[in-house]
Amino acid sequence: GAGVSQSPRYKVAKRGQDVALRCDPISGHVSLFWYQQALGQGPEFLTYFQNEAQLDKSGLPSDRFFAERPEGSVSTLKIQRTQQEDSAVYLCASSLSDRGSTDTQYFGPGTRLTVL
Amino acid sequence: GENVEQHPSTLSVQEGDSAVIKCTYSDSASNYFPWYKQELGKRPQLIIDIRSNVGEKKDQRIAVTLNKTAKHFSLHITETQPEDSAVYFCASISGGYNKLIFGAGTRLAVHP
Repeated sequence: GAGVSQSPRYKVAKRGQDVALRCDPISGHVSLFWYQQALGQGPEFLTYFQNEAQLDKSGLPSDRFFAERPEGSVSTLKIQRTQQEDSAVYLCASSLSDRGSTDTQYFGPGTRLTVL
Repeated sequence: GENVEQHPSTLSVQEGDSAVIKCTYSDSASNYFPWYKQELGKRPQLIIDIRSNVGEKKDQRIAVTLNKTAKHFSLHITETQPEDSAVYFCASISGGYNKLIFGAGTRLAVHP
């Protein structure tokens, strides 16, 4: 079956622009995570959704970052007034069950954001 | 906060040799430890995981060991092949929502 997909795969933004990154999780997966991966580093947690509810946004670096999953499937990560330090790969992951499980997290290919 | 340390940062081996990557974690409540392989420009892919009720798990050439007392776990790859060349990340679960805390990664190069 289809895995996690993300779009766009690459995004170049001028500093100060707003961007929106999309994640399509595996169908039926309850949990959805966003991670940020800087060059040469491991992914770092940004936020977590259980269906449409955003239960943990402790990793969002500033109030310029906003995520939503209004119907419990597709999710969008929005970054307002982008800064150069926002340049990174943004990874989405989904897992079958809710917070009580340790199901495998399946990752998407990521969106590489470059802020000029 | 929760932290995962990973060593070494780079590892170079000859084809057929074994490779070992070690990680330590700080959250004593963590009970799930996955390993991901990431090739250049690709998504992280799970290669093996272990839960805290076992001390070792094997899958063909790959094995993972866990020492909960010492809070460390290791990845062992035997009979390495050039296609094993990639960056490997260890991780542990943290918090009630099972977010993954990743190590900084190990770049493994297997030379023919």
